[in-house]
Amino acid sequence: DAGVIQSPRHEVTEMGQEVTLRCKPISGHDYLFWYRQTMMRGLELLIYFNNNVPIDDSGMPEDRFSAKMPNASFSTLKIQPSEPRDSAVYFCASSLRGTSYNSPLHFGNGTRLTVT
Amino acid sequence: SQQGEEDPQALSIQEGENATMNCSYKTSINNLQWYRQNSGRGLVHLILIRSNEREKHSGRLRVTLDTSKKSSSLLITASRAADTASYFCATERGGSEKLVFGKGTKLTVNP
Repeated sequence: DAGVIQSPRHEVTEMGQEVTLRCKPISGHDYLFWYRQTMMRGLELLIYFNNNVPIDDSGMPEDRFSAKMPNASFSTLKIQPSEPRDSAVYFCASSLRGTSYNSPLHFGNGTRLTVT
Repeated sequence: SQQGEEDPQALSIQEGENATMNCSYKTSINNLQWYRQNSGRGLVHLILIRSNEREKHSGRLRVTLDTSKKSSSLLITASRAADTASYFCATERGGSEKLVFGKGTKLTVNP
């Protein structure tokens, strides 16, 4: 089992550019989560999917952020246009059956985004 | 707002000593989870304790849960330099799948 795979590991971009972060969850996991981690705000849940369907996107900070899960093995988080305050580490995590069924989250190693 | 709040924010101990970290939360929970994060890496799940459990062990880890006080503690016994990491508690908001993390305790184990 390769675990949750995120790409790229590092992304440096200029303000105003589009950024796309990618995630491959663990095969067979029903849930996928996108988190953002900063020193100031800690880990914030942005959005989560169940069986490829977005369930709760209330954590997405602005309309500049969008996430998709076209199939069970791939998800993207897009920021367009990017701003310096979007600089953070973005984590993808997957879960077999969800927290309410006592299934833990399995995290990828994150994408460190720097917007200059 | 943060559901879980860890205490202390930072802890420095010598190898072989025990490390205790605490977590407080505000609302009712189904379970509480502890995760570890090494520098530059993703979070790794350590242990999950259900709301009807009071104590759970896994290797050198011992977790307690007091739902009346809305608090949990993580004890790492006989610490090693490799235990140096940040430790987070996480709770879900009752009935949803939204796992909310505290800001963590940064543990340093000095060899």
